[in-house]
Amino acid sequence: ETGVTQTPRHLVMGMTNKKSLKCEQHLGHNAMYWYKQSAKKPLELMFVYSLEERVENNSVPSRFSPECPNSSHLFLHLHTLQPEDSALYLCASSQDLSSVNYGYTFGSGTRLTVV
Amino acid sequence: DAKTTQPPSMDCAEGRAANLPCNHSTISGNEYVYWYRQIHSQGPQYIIHGLKNNETNEMASLIITEDRKSSTLILPHATLRDTAVYYCIVPPGNTGKLIFGQGTTLQVKP
Repeated sequence: ETGVTQTPRHLVMGMTNKKSLKCEQHLGHNAMYWYKQSAKKPLELMFVYSLEERVENNSVPSRFSPECPNSSHLFLHLHTLQPEDSALYLCASSQDLSSVNYGYTFGSGTRLTVV
Repeated sequence: DAKTTQPPSMDCAEGRAANLPCNHSTISGNEYVYWYRQIHSQGPQYIIHGLKNNETNEMASLIITEDRKSSTLILPHATLRDTAVYYCIVPPGNTGKLIFGQGTTLQVKP
């Protein structure tokens, strides 16, 4: 365990389903991130949260809806996804947005398959 | 934003040193170089970072050239468990924001 826990580890959902991915950290970090990694592609930064406020949304479709209720938890709500949304979704946290001296801590990811 | 260039793949014999290069010729004076690695289907793992001086920790050494336009990550005694994709990243303006490229796939062979 890295200190960042993601659940579930695997998820299969239909295109009409609604599901949520959960990320939890108890490292005392103030910034949290969602990344998407499609097959044979680099990680793509989706959302950035700092002190529970969304500070970045990298042109992500509205079928992905993030939520950060407190500094320890981050959710990614999913609805009406497409098969091309199948990917590994990774959560990360850092001390703050600058994190010059600490870097990011990543979770193990949720492997999502949309059928 | 400093862009990094890495070779797509490298092989290394088990027990030998693995030297992974990275070019970052547009790096600014106050931007750090970070290295992460991603073992298959896991989240990326922080390895090391540096600004100007060479750095060493329990995982690796980082050698940064004097002009800071390139760096080399050194795994002194590679093991099969070091097989992974290695990413060299320069967060823009020290924002800490990690933008991943394709990285270098290191294959450690017996």
